Amino acid sequence: GIQVEQSPPDLILQEGANSTLRCNFSDSVNNLQWFHQNPWGQLINLFYIPSGTKQNGRLSATTVATERYSLLYISSSQTTDSGVYFCAVESYNQGGKLIFGQGTELSVKP
Amino acid sequence: DAMVIQNPRYQVTQFGKPVTLSCSQTLNHNVMYWYQQKSSQAPKLLFHYYDKDFNNEADTPDNFQSRRPNTSFCFLDIRSPGLGDAAMYLCATTLFGTDTQYFGPGTRLTVL
Repeated sequence: GIQVEQSPPDLILQEGANSTLRCNFSDSVNNLQWFHQNPWGQLINLFYIPSGTKQNGRLSATTVATERYSLLYISSSQTTDSGVYFCAVESYNQGGKLIFGQGTELSVKP
Repeated sequence: DAMVIQNPRYQVTQFGKPVTLSCSQTLNHNVMYWYQQKSSQAPKLLFHYYDKDFNNEADTPDNFQSRRPNTSFCFLDIRSPGLGDAAMYLCATTLFGTDTQYFGPGTRLTVL
């Protein structure tokens, strides 16, 4: 099956810093989502981005489908950005089944 | 606001005592999913419903069952919980064809 790898596994930032999280996947996908899991366990949908670039406030994401990777950019990080960021993909004809990467655990220090 | 609701948020059960977790949604989505997430791991799909059509993952233990009595509700039944079933259980929904999955807040299950 499709493999999803995220890097780095852990990241510590000072408040106000910028960061880039990466997601590599091993096969063509028709669905790619970025999620933020807060300290209480809630998974929040950040982007649905199987290709192209999207921006939402301080967050933006780019997926280069032909090269099988996606990047999540966080600018001017805040302590509320702390948590685990997951990339999840669905390959074609998988009926909506998302395969998650192992996540990047982000800690933003004041 | 339209949302995915899970009850209870925290559930404690005893080893071998059946437990039911519930999920409801006001999004009128036709697909509902149950994921299991153990500590420091990624969510893992257990099964999903496309309308009333049940789809079980090949590696989901028989101990886990699900019911979807109507569009809005879906239940996860664990018939004989073991210590290894302690985890966060996440419900998600999507409208088939839109591809974005929306997650509930999860139920954290403790097995004593």
